[in-house]
Amino acid sequence: DSGVTQTPKHLITATGQRVTLRCSPRSGDLSVYWYQQSLDQGLQFLIQYYNGEERAKGNILERFSAQQFPDLHSELNLSSLELGDSALYFCASSVDGNGADTQYFGPGTRLTVL
Amino acid sequence: AQSVTQLGSHVSVSEGALVLLRCNYSSSVPPYLFWYVQYPNQGLQLLLKYTSAATLVKGINGFEAEFKKSETSFHLTKPSAHMSDAAEYFCAVSYSGTYKYIFGTGTRLKVLA
Repeated sequence: DSGVTQTPKHLITATGQRVTLRCSPRSGDLSVYWYQQSLDQGLQFLIQYYNGEERAKGNILERFSAQQFPDLHSELNLSSLELGDSALYFCASSVDGNGADTQYFGPGTRLTVL
Repeated sequence: AQSVTQLGSHVSVSEGALVLLRCNYSSSVPPYLFWYVQYPNQGLQLLLKYTSAATLVKGINGFEAEFKKSETSFHLTKPSAHMSDAAEYFCAVSYSGTYKYIFGTGTRLKVLA
């Protein structure tokens, strides 16, 4: 158990809908990362937050947004969902988010868009 | 552009044989390098990391990796494979001040009895 929790574990929804994925980091970690893992694109870095502020952006679509709240939990919002958004979404956390940090991954949320 | 390449999307070894998973990075600046393992239906777990200290890094479960700057490589090895090593392995790279982590495409390791 990494100490990172993600809810829900599974999510099934229809095209065009909007969903919210939630992540609680390990106690004491200030940085949260979001990743998308799919068969065709592998593990893609989406976005990183540090202590409530966006710090780095990766291959995140404009239909996707995220935020980190004062209690350090984070939410990833996916809107206008398409079939291609079906994937595993991982959250990870680390102490301060610098390049040498170890990231601790949650168990993931499996999103299926029908 | 900075990138990481894992040669071989699937590797099979016999139980007890040497495990060698390859990772090369592309960068002109010193990297931080990581190996993560992902077991089925689980998140990624750190095996080991290189952060500019010793070039030979020892990790969990008997794995180790050596940073070779001249070859821009960070290959993962284990002297003797165990059935429980069957999983997907990811190499990742990051750089000081960038806050971005670049993951390789992963290598699925199969261990044959």
